[in-house]
Amino acid sequence: GQNIDQPTEMTATEGAIVQINCTYQTSGFNGLFWYQQHAGEAPTFLSYNVLDGLEEKGRFSSFLSRSKGYSYLLLKELQMKDSASYLCAVRGDYKLSFGAGTTVTVRA
Amino acid sequence: DTGVSQNPRHKITKRGQNVTFRCDPISEHNRLYWYRQTLGQGPEFLTYFQNEAQLEKSRLLSDRFSAERPKGSFSTLEIQRTEQGDSAMYLCASSLETGGGNTQYFGPGTRLTVL
Repeated sequence: GQNIDQPTEMTATEGAIVQINCTYQTSGFNGLFWYQQHAGEAPTFLSYNVLDGLEEKGRFSSFLSRSKGYSYLLLKELQMKDSASYLCAVRGDYKLSFGAGTTVTVRA
Repeated sequence: DTGVSQNPRHKITKRGQNVTFRCDPISEHNRLYWYRQTLGQGPEFLTYFQNEAQLEKSRLLSDRFSAERPKGSFSTLEIQRTEQGDSAMYLCASSLETGGGNTQYFGPGTRLTVL
C-alpha cells in the first residue's frame, strides 16, 4: 500500500521562504515528484528526485532522503502567484501515488 | 508540443446517463494515464496504457468504467450509468518511458458533475 503525508495548509508572506514536508511509506519507489496545482487547473510538474540530496531549480528546491522516507519542497522569494496546492507524489513501477496536497497561501 | 489536451473541460449530466471523455497526449509519448481527483484530495490512479495496450486498472475502476486507446494515440474514458459519486475531475497524463524519470505531464482535466 501507499501512505503519503503532507500538511494540509501553510501560510507565508510574500518574499519569504516556505518548506513543505512530505513523508511516505510505499511498497515500491522509483522517484518522488512535486507538482503545483492552481485551483481548477491541472497539476504542473515542478521537480523530481530519485537519489538522496537536493535538487535546485530556480526559486524551487526539492530534497529527498530515501532511508527516512522523507522529502521537502522549498519555495524561496515567495510571490503571490505561488499561492496554490503542492502535491507530493511517489512513483512505483509506473503510476504515481499522491498525497492530498498542501495549500500554500501567500500574503502581501 | 501543444501539451496534453482533454475534452470536454466540463460535463454536467443526470444520474444514469453515459458520458465519454477524450484525452490527446503529447504526440511522442507512449504511456497514457487516467486519474480521478476529488476536492481536497490528490489525484488517484485509474488506469494506464502502454501504446494501445491497457496494462493495469485500479480497483477504483468499476465495471461501469471503460477506457480505450485504439491506435496508441488518443484515449477515451467512458462511464456508463453515472452515479453522483462519479462527480470529480478526471485527469489524463502522458509520459515517454525511457527508463529515466519518466515525468508524467497532465492535461487540464474534465470536470464531471452528476446531478
